[in-house]
Amino acid sequence: KQEVTQIPAALSVPEGENLVLNCSFTDSAIYNLQWFRQDPGKGLTSLLLIQSSQREQTSGRLNASLDKSSGRSTLYIAASQPGDSATYLCAVRPNYGQNFVFGPGTRLSVLP
Amino acid sequence: EPEVTQTPSHQVTQMGQEVILRCVPISNHLYFYWYRQILGQKVEFLVSFYNNEISEKSEIFDDQFSVERPDGSNFTLKIRSTKLEDSAMYFCASSESPPLGNEQFFGPGTRLTVL
Repeated sequence: KQEVTQIPAALSVPEGENLVLNCSFTDSAIYNLQWFRQDPGKGLTSLLLIQSSQREQTSGRLNASLDKSSGRSTLYIAASQPGDSATYLCAVRPNYGQNFVFGPGTRLSVLP
Repeated sequence: EPEVTQTPSHQVTQMGQEVILRCVPISNHLYFYWYRQILGQKVEFLVSFYNNEISEKSEIFDDQFSVERPDGSNFTLKIRSTKLEDSAMYFCASSESPPLGNEQFFGPGTRLTVL
């Protein structure tokens, strides 16, 4: 059964810092991995989707990498801003199903 | 930009009552999903739906739950007899065909409170 973990559970950084969020999954048999942002009490906003054949994806200040064989993905946020404060969720799609398996999230606070 | 919409944003109901949560997926998407998130816990998959039938469901999706696409735009989740533990945020999502390899787009959620 696929399990997804995220480290750290919470992170607080001053504005302008570069930071890395980590995601680990137990079964490397995945189709893809998606990073989401969730603001308090709100829905999920898709940030980046990485296919299993890809190593990384970039969108603006965000860069996500995938090492499928080791069961890891990282989300790199450059030059963090207070508006980046949110919970960041990692989700993997196992290749035996259509659903996503979510991690517990990393709660990020960027201080002005 | 196309988006998934959900109504209502918040639903309060008494235990034992039936509730219907509504979703309008992105118009050219063919695969639809429901997830839930109990407060403070992970987002959990409930069910996926394609071509007017359930394609996959989790252990959570028992006989108390059902899904339907009553017309060309709406996708609904029905809970027949709500329990206290059904209180959660329910998210609808959709993706293009085929689902494998495609991004899922989520709606803003419906917060269900069962009293």
